[in-house]
Amino acid sequence: NAGVTQTPKFQVLKTGQSMTLQCAQDMNHEYMSWYRQDPGMGLRLIHYSVGAGITDQGEVPNGYNVSRSTTEDFPLRLLSAAPSQTSVYFCASSYSGQNTEAFFGQGTRLTVV
Amino acid sequence: EDQVTQSPEALRLQEGESSSLNCSYTVSGLRGLFWYRQDPGKGPEFLFTLYSAGEEKEKERLKATLTKKESFLHITAPKPEDSATYLCAVNQGRALTFGSGTRLQVQP
Repeated sequence: NAGVTQTPKFQVLKTGQSMTLQCAQDMNHEYMSWYRQDPGMGLRLIHYSVGAGITDQGEVPNGYNVSRSTTEDFPLRLLSAAPSQTSVYFCASSYSGQNTEAFFGQGTRLTVV
Repeated sequence: EDQVTQSPEALRLQEGESSSLNCSYTVSGLRGLFWYRQDPGKGPEFLFTLYSAGEEKEKERLKATLTKKESFLHITAPKPEDSATYLCAVNQGRALTFGSGTRLQVQP
C-alpha cells in the first residue's frame, strides 16, 4: 500500500493563478480531509469528505474548492491564488471519521508570489 | 471557543533525560484526544488515541495519559531519534482541532 499520496510536493504560483493539489489513497478509506499548516498555528481543516459525492467545509474553506467523485481521490482546487494561501497543505484519510487514526500524506509546500 | 494549547513550544533534552509534554484543552464533549509525531518535511504520524480520563497508552519510550482537562506525553530515557514535533489534537465530532505542537530535540 502506498497510503496517502500527494502531488506535487512543491509549487510556486503567481497571485491570481489557479491550480489543483492532488490527493489519492489506496486504503479504501471513506473519510478524507485537507489541512493547511502555518507556523505557530497548527493544522487547520479546510474541507473534508465522508464519502464519494459528499463534501463539507472545515474551519478555513474560503478560496478553496473540493470534490469527491471516487473513494480514492480528493483534489483541492485553489480558485485564484493569494499570498495568504502560502502554506503547507496536508491531505489525510481515515477509515471512519475523525475518531479513528488518520493517515497523512507527505504534504505540498505552496508559495504564492 | 474550543482550544488546544501545547507546552512548551520547544524542548531540548540530553539523551536519557526524561520529561513530559503537555496538551491542555477546552472543548465540550471530547470524543477523543490524539497524539501525532511529525518529522521535518513530512506529514504527521499517528501515535495514540485516548478517550476517557484516566486512560493511559504506551509505545516504546512514550506514554500518553489523559485527565479531564489535559493530556501528557511522557518520554522516558529519550534517544536522538525521538527528536520531532509532537502534535496533540482533539476530536470535536466533525473535525480534529490541533495544537501548535512541541518541538523536541534530543541531543546525544
